[in-house]
Amino acid sequence: DTAVSQTPKYLVTQMGNDKSIKCEQNLGHDTMYWYKQDSKKFLKIMFSYNNKELIINETVPNRFSPKSPDKAHLNLHINSLELGDSAVYFCASSHRRLAGEGQYFGPGTRLLVL
Amino acid sequence: AQTVTQSQPEMSVQEAETVTLSCTYDTSESDYYLFWYKQPPSRQMILVIRQEAYKQQNATENRFSVNFQKAAKSFSLKISDSQLGDAAMYFCAYLYSGGGADGLTFGKGTHLIIQP
Repeated sequence: DTAVSQTPKYLVTQMGNDKSIKCEQNLGHDTMYWYKQDSKKFLKIMFSYNNKELIINETVPNRFSPKSPDKAHLNLHINSLELGDSAVYFCASSHRRLAGEGQYFGPGTRLLVL
Repeated sequence: AQTVTQSQPEMSVQEAETVTLSCTYDTSESDYYLFWYKQPPSRQMILVIRQEAYKQQNATENRFSVNFQKAAKSFSLKISDSQLGDAAMYFCAYLYSGGGADGLTFGKGTHLIIQP
């Protein structure tokens, strides 16, 4: 059973398009995250949600809009895609009160903007 | 703001030998968590080991152990009896314990090569 799943795993699209990435976790966690891994493998937090409430919104362009319909799902919608958005996007989850147990990551979505 | 530094972009070790990956961090907090994550070519991020700053005892998980030096703000990962499957990028990460929904702060990673 997959703990944190993301769809799609690969996304190739043209500049200017709008795309969404979906994430689901079945770990019973109450907090979910989106991270971006750039071409140099550097990982940076973008957003975090706790019980469907936005907690962290790092300096991310407002073309990126996360949505959490419930505790088990966190989706990422990106408008007007730009070349610089090409990266791997990871969803992760954890229990807010058990943060020391670590965050569990999905398999990542490789986004390529042409 | 906290920072995490991994000074070794790449390390190479012979199969069955021991290797140590370095990590230093900077924080003004006294209570926090530290993690090592492994990212093999499959791209999956795998939690290898975790350490709570208030615990003096170094964490161990089978062939993986850490050397946590709080005063020096150092958190190195030792891999014993290296195996081919250990080949991956390894990331050190920090999390303030008071920020339960905070994002992890990652280092830039160390690429570990295992020589057969």
